[in-house]
Amino acid sequence: DVKVTQSSRYLVKRTGEKVFLECVQDMDHENMFWYRQDPGLGLRLIYFSYDVKMKEKGDIPEGYSVSREKKERFSLILESASTNQTSMYLCASTLGREGTDTQYFGPGTRLTVL
Amino acid sequence: GENVEQHPSTLSVQEGDSAVIKCTYSDSASNYFPWYKQELGKRPQLIIDIRSNVGEKKDQRIAVTLNKTAKHFSLHITETQPEDSAVYFCAALGWGTDKLIFGTGTRLQVFP
Repeated sequence: DVKVTQSSRYLVKRTGEKVFLECVQDMDHENMFWYRQDPGLGLRLIYFSYDVKMKEKGDIPEGYSVSREKKERFSLILESASTNQTSMYLCASTLGREGTDTQYFGPGTRLTVL
Repeated sequence: GENVEQHPSTLSVQEGDSAVIKCTYSDSASNYFPWYKQELGKRPQLIIDIRSNVGEKKDQRIAVTLNKTAKHFSLHITETQPEDSAVYFCAALGWGTDKLIFGTGTRLQVFP
């Protein structure tokens, strides 16, 4: 059974703070993704990674960076958090590198930036 | 790039009725269309998908149809049950990319 975990379910940070969101998958998956989910906007891709130390921009990368030092771990970094980054953040992974592979999601981190 | 529109944003049905959610996409070269279900407080999970070489696919009470000419695809749920209540997301995979573009979601409520 695929397990994708995220470091926190809820997080409250202040404007300007550096924020780290971590995602870990235990099934040796190749691709990992970070999305944000906002009401009425669906799931929007921030960044994804198809290999260790590799990253690709998604549709809304501004204000975010990522790190993938180990295959099982993909971190999302908010260098200087702003209130418009208050959102639900979802991590996902896929077994292979094909876009048709099933995405397995983590439980999400609800981030509030005050 | 690809753009996916999803309608309606909310849908309420009586238990036992059918529900239909529609999505349109912009990239005629898109070739893969999955549907994800997200129950309240839970993570999205794949429920069904269809590829561009197929017009319809069924799995028990759910089915997906694809009209490549019109560039739209739909999710059909028959004999709805309260446990079908969730947010449903459609998505499309553009040709030559590894990225899914998701629709904005439909909140389905099934009343007993």
